[in-house]
Amino acid sequence: SQTIHQWPATLVQPVGSPLSLECTVEGTSNPNLYWYRQAAGRGLQLLFYSVGIGQISSEVPQNLSASRPQDRQFILSSKKLLLSDSGFYLCAWSVATEAFFGQGTRLTVV
Amino acid sequence: GQNIDQPTEMTATEGAIVQINCTYQTSGFNGLFWYQQHAGEAPTFLSYNVLDGLEEKGRFSSFLSRSKGYSYLLLKELQMKDSASYLCAVTTDSWGKLQFGAGTQVVVTP
Repeated sequence: SQTIHQWPATLVQPVGSPLSLECTVEGTSNPNLYWYRQAAGRGLQLLFYSVGIGQISSEVPQNLSASRPQDRQFILSSKKLLLSDSGFYLCAWSVATEAFFGQGTRLTVV
Repeated sequence: GQNIDQPTEMTATEGAIVQINCTYQTSGFNGLFWYQQHAGEAPTFLSYNVLDGLEEKGRFSSFLSRSKGYSYLLLKELQMKDSASYLCAVTTDSWGKLQFGAGTQVVVTP
């Protein structure tokens, strides 16, 4: 069965520090992968999606970037965090009629 | 623009039935998802509808009318553990990108 791993679960980072969140998928090949963000009390917003290695599409302009160095690995990064980057970050994968989320990373920028 | 609307909060009694409505106006339609999200946790997949009609899965059912841009999630025999936020999401293309409503907080009371 397919599983998705995301880490760390929580993170507190100072403003201006770098960020790297990692997501890996098991049990499937060539999945579509996504990064979403959920700000406090708001809905999920799609940040990036990838349909293959090295292929990244950005949905909203922001202080973040994404990379897909391997088929089942998706990384979210920032060179310098802003206070507004705080939120719940979720990695997801989809196939056909199903879409599943990782456990999420709660990022607090202080 | 693209809109996905659902009520902010609903309250129901344990053992009762609750219907959560979702209306959408999107440029294109390739399926509608319902997710359950407990506080502080990642969303979990409940259902997917792409054709008109009712899909039933145990205590949960989901209905879709594409001509009306309307869906509902029906929760029967409510249990205390059903207290959660329920997210309606629409995908408009084959890439599986999801656009989410803000979520409906369901509160189940004894």
